[in-house]
Parts: sequence; C-alpha cells; structure tokens
Amino acid sequence: DAKTTQPPSMDCAEGRAANLPCNHSTISGNEYVYWYRQIHSQGPQYIIHGLKNNETNEMASLIITEDRKSSTLILPHATLRDTAVYYCIVRVASGSQGNLIFGKGTKLSVKP
Amino acid sequence: GAGVSQSPSNKVTEKGKDVELRCDPISGHTALYWYRQSLGQGLEFLIYFQGNSAPDKSGLPSDRFSAERTGGSVSTLTIQRTQQEDSAVYLCASSLGAVYSNQPQHFGDGTRLSIL
Repeated sequence: DAKTTQPPSMDCAEGRAANLPCNHSTISGNEYVYWYRQIHSQGPQYIIHGLKNNETNEMASLIITEDRKSSTLILPHATLRDTAVYYCIVRVASGSQGNLIFGKGTKLSVKP
Repeated sequence: GAGVSQSPSNKVTEKGKDVELRCDPISGHTALYWYRQSLGQGLEFLIYFQGNSAPDKSGLPSDRFSAERTGGSVSTLTIQRTQQEDSAVYLCASSLGAVYSNQPQHFGDGTRLSIL
C-alpha cells in the first residue's frame, strides 16, 4: 500500500489561501489521491480526488506533481469553518479491497 | 440531496449487551462501508458491501461483530456481548460504484457507542 506523509499541523490566516502538502512517493500508477477532512464530531467529508491532472471543484484545487510523488490541496480563501483535520489518502487498489486508510492528517487551524 | 444517514447518533449500553447500528446510504450508491474510529485514532475498516457480491469482512475484529445489508440499501452492524474496548464512533460510508471505479466514499456522521 502506498503511504502518505503530511505535516501534523498548519496555521492559516482567514481569507488567505491554505496550501496543504502531502508526500506519496510510493504511489502506484493506477492509484488515485483523495483528500478528506474531518471536523470535530462529524464524519469525514470528501473534498477532491485526482490521478495525475490537476483538479478543481467548488471546495478546493488539487495540484499533483508530474512524477505523482506529492500533491498539494489548496483552499483558495480559507474561512474559520475550514478548521479541521485534513487527510491525504492513496486508494488501496488490490483485490476486492477499496477501504480508505486514513493516517494522522494535518490539523489546519484558520485564525481570524 | 440527502447524505448518508446513521442512527442512533449516540448509544450508551452496558457491557455484555448487544447493539445494532443502522446506516442508510445515499440513494443509488451500490457500495457501502463500515469503519470505526476510536478516540484520537484513525479510521479502522470493518466491512464492505458491493451489490449482491459476498461482503468483504476482512476488517471485522472478532466474531462478535456482524453486518448485513438487506435489499442492497440499508445496512445494520451488530455487536454482540459488547465489551468496553468496543467504545468508538462507528462510521458508515457509501459510494456510487464498485471499489475499482474510484468513486469517492461519502460518510455519515457516525454512531458514538459508549460501553459502560
């Protein structure tokens, strides 16, 4: 299974862009990168996913390096409600499994 | 639209009792997953259902745990003879396609289970 490495915590000023890095140097060619976040007392919330091209949706942008060994999640204008733990996950793609393996993630604190 | 719904949101029970947790997936989602999250820990995979295929039970921690999914929609997770180490938040997720479709999983807010 590919593993991911994220910084344990980050701060961001409200209104500024939050850039959350993730390393996944052992990713396989057919494995996607997923980002989720979890706000206290809630279930994980899907944010975005991608294979090799950069992706953008209404929540965030995902930038994947050309060698696919790392990626960055960008929240363009962070708000206080974006304070959460953000998880970068590489999807297990073997046999009948498909469960997500969550690491410790990055605790993002958006400050006024 | 409606997301994944789980009930109850909180459950407190005595050690040794059986509990049943319910999950209503997003309408039309064929894949359904159960995870649990202990305090301060990551998610632990329990079981996965896809359509009419036999479920992947590889994550169930003991034979006290079982799950079923009737009619390809609602799922129940049953824990028999509960023990204190079963205390956790039990999360359900569903996705549009089979595991190999790379469709994202969408989670409910979980059932917080406390065993006294």
